[in-house]
Amino acid sequence: AQSVTQLDSHVSVSEGTPVLLRCNYSSSYSPSLFWYVQHPNKGLQLLLKYTSAATLVKGINGFEAEFKKSETSFHLTKPSAHMSDAAEYFCVVSRGAAGNKLTFGGGTRVLVKP
Amino acid sequence: DVKVTQSSRYLVKRTGEKVFLECVQDMDHENMFWYRQDPGLGLRLIYFSYDVKMKEKGDIPEGYSVSREKKERFSLILESASTNQTSMYLCASRGFGAGSGNTIYFGEGSWLTVV
Repeated sequence: AQSVTQLDSHVSVSEGTPVLLRCNYSSSYSPSLFWYVQHPNKGLQLLLKYTSAATLVKGINGFEAEFKKSETSFHLTKPSAHMSDAAEYFCVVSRGAAGNKLTFGGGTRVLVKP
Repeated sequence: DVKVTQSSRYLVKRTGEKVFLECVQDMDHENMFWYRQDPGLGLRLIYFSYDVKMKEKGDIPEGYSVSREKKERFSLILESASTNQTSMYLCASRGFGAGSGNTIYFGEGSWLTVV
């Protein structure tokens, strides 16, 4: 069994300040972990993924995430928020390469204030 | 870039109508998925296809069927639309080659309203 918990349903930051989106997971297997972003009325766009290589993963638009097995966490960060980062973010776990089912976190909605 | 195309972005259908949602991917991916997304409920898997003519029920298959006659196309069918099927439907695909690396790619979504 696997599960994903995004610890914050809403995050509000000021433009130019750091962003932290928290994600904890549980999995009986070696997981693959992903962060996706969804802008209003759009599909989900991949930000970055962890698939058992380097634990610090760099993604698009200045985002990065660190896989911490001991803490079962995969938190997403960005040093400086931009207005265009306002969106909903989903942490997703997949059971390795063979898993056909993804488990989605509940999502974190990010508001960026000018 | 991988492209997953959902041909209908916005549809309005009447209760009892048969509805087809089409999805096409251009990366020769083996796996394709249909999800629905509802406020407060997140994304829920309706059906999954791991290859042509192969399908597997997801978490909420009731009221839906799927068709995968060609590798690039995965159709979601609502045999008799009901108002509780008003939702945003997301198609996705995944390949396992060196370039894809187990990544799932999503379409832009189809907003369906059943009246």
